[in-house]
Amino acid sequence: EAGVTQSPTHLIKTRGQQATLRCSPISGHTSVYWYQQALGLGLQFLLWYDEGEERNRGNFPPRFSGRQFPNYSSELNVNALELEDSALYLCASSLLRVTETQYFGPGTRLLVL
Amino acid sequence: AQSVAQPEDQVNVAEGNPLTVKCTYSVSGNPYLFWYVQYPNRGLQFLLKYITGDNLVKGSYGFEAEFNKSQTSFHLKKPSALVSDSALYFCAVRAQERSNDYKLSFGAGTTVTVRA
Repeated sequence: EAGVTQSPTHLIKTRGQQATLRCSPISGHTSVYWYQQALGLGLQFLLWYDEGEERNRGNFPPRFSGRQFPNYSSELNVNALELEDSALYLCASSLLRVTETQYFGPGTRLLVL
Repeated sequence: AQSVAQPEDQVNVAEGNPLTVKCTYSVSGNPYLFWYVQYPNRGLQFLLKYITGDNLVKGSYGFEAEFNKSQTSFHLKKPSALVSDSALYFCAVRAQERSNDYKLSFGAGTTVTVRA
């Protein structure tokens, strides 16, 4: 069974540009979560999507947004990039059950110059 | 609010010796607790979780963790460490009662180095 996949693996942008990161969940999983792993800040929750709806978001500005498609894949968009947005962005998926484990993809490393 | 503390930034052990990575948590009500491992330039791999029941949870690669409600701890253990266990370990928590909030709160991570 294929795991969570993310693309691209690396992304280099300049300040002010927009970045789009993509995630495909494990087959059958309906929930997708996005986390940011920035140096010195640890893993921070960004967004949670389920059944195409945004269910929760972390303490990030509105320029971080996303969506979930009918096939449950997801996009994370970061507008007006800032230097501090440089981080590893991790996507996870799970079934929407209370006890369900989140399984993580390999991440997209975003570098903002 | 929910949070996790991993009091040790680094743990160093010799191969073959027991390995312990400490984790304490804070959550309203009962917790779901998880351990993940991250190898360099990789995503997080799930090791084990505590939901309910037996306080000793067994997971992948010979790891186990003990849930202690009175001490609000969930320490990760391995009886005999391998060099290949060298990685970054994360403890995570979410509250059971908040069934509409599935986000995980992670600790800062503990770097484990196992020397040959």
